[in-house]
Amino acid sequence: GDSVTQMEGPVTLSEEAFLTINCTYTATGYPSLFWYVQYPGEGLQLLLKATKADDKGSNKGFEATYRKETTSFHLEKGSVQVSDSAVYFCALPRGYQKVTFGTGTKLQVIP
Amino acid sequence: ETGVTQSPTHLIKTRGQQVTLRCSSQSGHNTVSWYQQALGQGPQFIFQYYREEENGRGNFPPRFSGLQFPNYSSELNVNALELDDSALYLCASSSGTGANTEAFFGQGTRLTVV
Repeated sequence: GDSVTQMEGPVTLSEEAFLTINCTYTATGYPSLFWYVQYPGEGLQLLLKATKADDKGSNKGFEATYRKETTSFHLEKGSVQVSDSAVYFCALPRGYQKVTFGTGTKLQVIP
Repeated sequence: ETGVTQSPTHLIKTRGQQVTLRCSSQSGHNTVSWYQQALGQGPQFIFQYYREEENGRGNFPPRFSGLQFPNYSSELNVNALELDDSALYLCASSSGTGANTEAFFGQGTRLTVV
């Protein structure tokens, strides 16, 4: 079945540092891939998505490229801010809105 | 603001009891999915309702059941609560069932079973 593996946290960075959160997946076919973000005390929000190989999703300065050859979808941001502190989930959606999530990576950005 | 609201926000129940959690979907959405998020884990798919019918289910026992109403709001019922049912329960609504259709999540209900 589908599975998503992402790097364990927590990740602590200084403001303006470069961020990478690794995500790899196992799936049949060529699914779409998502990144969700969960801010403290809130529900999940879709951050970005890619629907086919070599697609790059981007939003709010975050980027992720769908790499079929390495089955990866790593999340990157060039300069993090304190407001980016949250838990980030890599996710693999299937039909009927069944989404397989990774375990989440907590990011803490310190001033 | 996503428009998906869940109630209550927090709940404490005793093992063996039953609980009902509620979700109001975003206006115009006909699909509701429920997820269980244990502490430190990613959300796990419980089931989905589309136009008042169950439309997919994850690996959860039958004591997890649900309903969707004509206004597309939904309930999650859990019978015979166990300690391991303690988790954040998330509801997500969407305008369809396609894999690429964005789901909008509520803030969740934190259930503690003692």
